[in-house]
Amino acid sequence: LAKTTQPISMDSYEGQEVNITCSHNNIATNDYITWYQQFPSQGPRFIIQGYKTKVTNEVASLFIPADRKSSTLSLPRVSLSDTAVYYCLVGDNKAAGNKLTFGGGTRVLVKP
Amino acid sequence: GAVVSQHPSWVICKSGTSVKIECRSLDFQATTMFWYRQFPKQSLMLMATSNEGSKATYEQGVEKDKFLINHASLTLSTLTVTSAHPEDSSFYICSATNWQGAMSYEQYFGPGTRLTVT
Repeated sequence: LAKTTQPISMDSYEGQEVNITCSHNNIATNDYITWYQQFPSQGPRFIIQGYKTKVTNEVASLFIPADRKSSTLSLPRVSLSDTAVYYCLVGDNKAAGNKLTFGGGTRVLVKP
Repeated sequence: GAVVSQHPSWVICKSGTSVKIECRSLDFQATTMFWYRQFPKQSLMLMATSNEGSKATYEQGVEKDKFLINHASLTLSTLTVTSAHPEDSSFYICSATNWQGAMSYEQYFGPGTRLTVT
């Protein structure tokens, strides 16, 4: 399983863009990159997933360079409610029994 | 769609008793479910992988006789913490995989169960 490395924490202010970079040097060919958000005492919530280049949905963008050894989650114009822990995971989601290994995550604090 | 529930959401039990936690996929059939444990300010740690109709696969260091997992149907998996002790107090989270088409699966997480052993 590919290991991921993320910053432990990041502070931001309301309305700013937050970019969290995750390193996954050992990512395998079949691995996808998935980001989850977790609030205290709740289960993780899926944010976005990608394989290469750029993926955008209604809440975030995911940038993946050609070598796929890293990825950057971009949260546009954050609000106080975006304060949470964000996890980057890599795994082969073509296998039903695919295990996800959670790294330390990045604790994002959005300040007013 | 793809909702996973857990019951109870929180439980307090006395040391030495057993506690059962249920994980249900409400609107899809989950061939595989996973159980995680999370201590305060720490990341999720995978405990075991549960496949419907077969024995669970436990991660290294997880006692299978202490954490009994049953996956009797495609929508229900249970985790029983036997002879619970205060050090078992934690946040237990389950997830279930759902076929998304195009040969890919997605993993959906339950809301978690807070276990406190006194």
